[in-house]
Amino acid sequence: QVQLVQSGAEVKKPGASVKVSCKASGYTFTSYDINWVRQATGQGLEWMGWMNPNNGDTGYAQKFQGRVSMTRDTSINTAYMELSSLRSEDTAVYYCARRDDSRGYSRDCWGQGTLVTVSS
Amino acid sequence: DIQMTQSPSSLSASVGDSVTITCRASQSISNYLSWYQQKPGKAPELLIYSATSLQSGVPSRFGGSGSGTDFTLTISGLQPEDFAIYYCQQSYSNPITFGQGTRLEVK
Repeated sequence: QVQLVQSGAEVKKPGASVKVSCKASGYTFTSYDINWVRQATGQGLEWMGWMNPNNGDTGYAQKFQGRVSMTRDTSINTAYMELSSLRSEDTAVYYCARRDDSRGYSRDCWGQGTLVTVSS
Repeated sequence: DIQMTQSPSSLSASVGDSVTITCRASQSISNYLSWYQQKPGKAPELLIYSATSLQSGVPSRFGGSGSGTDFTLTISGLQPEDFAIYYCQQSYSNPITFGQGTRLEVK
């Protein structure tokens, strides 16, 4: 079945970077964009950007421009999201999600989430 | 950016009740509207896409309607597992935006 499995929780100090992975299985990895969405504790969902695994094209929310990088390794069907210059406000659960163009561009499959804690 | 506004922010209901959640977009998004359910400690799950289409495997008590700027999610005959937070999301244009969420609680 279609599945996205993310890397484990991370604890980082302010100013550091974090790289979260998202391994896809059960479908053709290069056929669906991967989005990243984050959620601070008790808060709503915040879209960070997208990546096309076929050609590596990306698009980022303005809020994260210059601090985020979304990449992939097609040999192992894995997408990555790296966020730099971390601050306490970046403490959140980070999700990858597959975009399904045949279902109104909805996000039909989500990873289990990766908790990133930024603390000195 | 397109703003998505959900109402109510929270809702209390009993098993067997029918409830409606509304979502309004700040501009027309045609039918590029999805609904998600999120339970504590879990990732969101897709319920409805293209405003009215039921995702495979989702019970038929969930229904979506609307187009343009005004949308609704209706749950007919609430079950215990339906108490969760519900989000709408527009896919009409980037940046993708979500409503603030509606918490559905047991009365």
